[in-house]
Amino acid sequence: DGGITQSPKYLFRKEGQNVTLSCEQNLNHDAMYWYRQDPGQGLRLIYYSQIVNDFQKGDIAEGYSVSREKKESFPLTVTSAQKNPTAFYLCASRYEGRPYNEQFFGPGTRLTVL
Amino acid sequence: EDQVTQSPEALRLQEGESSSLNCSYTVSGLRGLFWYRQDPGKGPEFLFTLYSAGEEKEKERLKATLTKKESFLHITAPKPEDSATYLCAVQSTSGTYKYIFGTGTRLKVLA
Repeated sequence: DGGITQSPKYLFRKEGQNVTLSCEQNLNHDAMYWYRQDPGQGLRLIYYSQIVNDFQKGDIAEGYSVSREKKESFPLTVTSAQKNPTAFYLCASRYEGRPYNEQFFGPGTRLTVL
Repeated sequence: EDQVTQSPEALRLQEGESSSLNCSYTVSGLRGLFWYRQDPGKGPEFLFTLYSAGEEKEKERLKATLTKKESFLHITAPKPEDSATYLCAVQSTSGTYKYIFGTGTRLKVLA
């Protein structure tokens, strides 16, 4: 089955720790995205990547880092510089090319800072 | 500035009671409008893409429509399993990468 997987489902971080969230897709999609979802707010874009070895900052990139070494993988690192990292993190991917503009989402990772 | 507003924030319906959710948008040029369903603790599930005013899409009890300023998600004779948060997003022609999401409508269908 084609789809997007995220791991872990739940993640707990202590103050001062960096943690990495995994995102893998086997849809052969070119573009991948990371969003953060907080209660009462719309999804906010952290980073996106349209091709391998290239990525751009979204609206709330401070305190986060990414890499795109393979088409299938787009891991997100939440660094200690992110002051309020407790949130639900969603990875998405998209096929480049009209009319396939829709994004497809993974199941999410809930990060909690202890 | 591109913006998406969804209303109402929350909606309670009796089973079988049809209603509509609204998504108002402001973009410089619309590349696409998207509807998603999100269950608690899960990722959004894609429902529909609409590209131009007058377009309609249907799936089971759901029907999405689009005008130049807003989109409606009509729910006909809803069932309790339709309970979820429904998200609307737009993609503008000013950039191919960015999607603007609304805050969603939380729908509860009572048996």
